[in-house]
Amino acid sequence: DVKVTQSSRYLVKRTGEKVFLECVQDMDHENMFWYRQDPGLGLRLIYFSYDVKMKEKGDIPEGYSVSREKKERFSLILESASTNQTSMYLCASSQPARKAFFGQGTRLTVV
Amino acid sequence: EDKVVQSPLSLVVHEGDTVTLNCSYEVTNFRSLLWYKQEKKAPTFLFMLTSSGIEKKSGRLSSILDKKELFSILNITATQTGDSAIYLCAGQIGSNYKLTFGKGTLLTVNP
Repeated sequence: DVKVTQSSRYLVKRTGEKVFLECVQDMDHENMFWYRQDPGLGLRLIYFSYDVKMKEKGDIPEGYSVSREKKERFSLILESASTNQTSMYLCASSQPARKAFFGQGTRLTVV
Repeated sequence: EDKVVQSPLSLVVHEGDTVTLNCSYEVTNFRSLLWYKQEKKAPTFLFMLTSSGIEKKSGRLSSILDKKELFSILNITATQTGDSAIYLCAGQIGSNYKLTFGKGTLLTVNP
């Protein structure tokens, strides 16, 4: 079975901190995605990557950056965390034209 | 701007009812449409639809795509309390297969 692993299930950070959320997949997938999920807003795409070092902005990239130096790992970076970035963050991976698999999510609280 | 719109946003039914969930899309370079079910954790895959008019079925769940009218429906017959979940629809878009979600439909099935 495909495994998508997010480094933390729960995270509490202070306003202004730099935050790294890590995601690793074990199936050699080309595509990896970062979403945030807030009640009533569904999954909103922050960034996705379609190859190593290749990325594309999603619908809400402001305040975030990403890094994909190796195929299996996709990192989401909050340069200076703010309280409005408190959310559930979901990582997913897929082969092009195939279904995506999700990690278990990281619930981030910024205080 | 690519859009995936789901309706209704929430729905409450009784066990045994049949429900129809709707998903319409306005996207450039459409590839396929996917349905996911989300309970308390990561979304789990239900269906992937690429061709118009071909129904996909899994037990009491079925789905179909209309590429002319740009929508899909997800049907659940003889609903059970275990069907209570958020149902997410996503469009796979563009040459890099970006995955964009709608806001989801929160389905509550009461005994």
